[in-house]
Amino acid sequence: KQEVTQIPAALSVPEGENLVLNCSFTDSAIYNLQWFRQDPGKGLTSLLLIQSSQREQTSGRLNASLDKSSGRSTLYIAASQPGDSATYLCAVPMTTDSWGKLQFGAGTQVVVTP
Amino acid sequence: NAGVTQTPKFRVLKTGQSMTLLCAQDMNHEYMYWYRQDPGMGLRLIHYSVGEGTTAKGEVPDGYNVSRLKKQNFLLGLESAAPSQTSVYFCASTSGGWDTQYFGPGTRLTVL
Repeated sequence: KQEVTQIPAALSVPEGENLVLNCSFTDSAIYNLQWFRQDPGKGLTSLLLIQSSQREQTSGRLNASLDKSSGRSTLYIAASQPGDSATYLCAVPMTTDSWGKLQFGAGTQVVVTP
Repeated sequence: NAGVTQTPKFRVLKTGQSMTLLCAQDMNHEYMYWYRQDPGMGLRLIHYSVGEGTTAKGEVPDGYNVSRLKKQNFLLGLESAAPSQTSVYFCASTSGGWDTQYFGPGTRLTVL
């Protein structure tokens, strides 16, 4: 069974510092990995989707890398801002079928202090 | 374009009562999902559908039923609510299994 772990569970940084969030998964036979953001009391918003053929994906200040062989992905957020405060979740497909069933990590709660 | 909407936003039930949660999407997506989110456990898949008229069990399906009579709607039913079903329920949809999933705002359910 695919298992997804996110460490640390919580992180607090001063504004301007770079954020590094980690995600590890046990089964490397994945076809993609997604990073989501969740604000308190809200739904999930997709940040980045990395296909298995890609090693990284970038969107603005966000950069996500994927190393399938080691079962790891890292989300980098450059020059953090208080508005980046949220919980960040990673997700990978549960199985190798194409039904899009996702296995989520428990998330990393990020606080950026002014 | 409203995306994915969920009704209701909040609900309190007594043990044994039944209810239906409605998910609607206006993106013409084939695939739809119901997840539950509990503190410290991430999201877990309850049921999913890969097209109108189809449904399948996810990771934690016991105590829930679903229906997908129309492509745009995915209903989640609790026939006899239990306190263990207190959770936040999220619906999601996508155009294909390899694509980005879009989530609704969630329904916070409390079972007393």
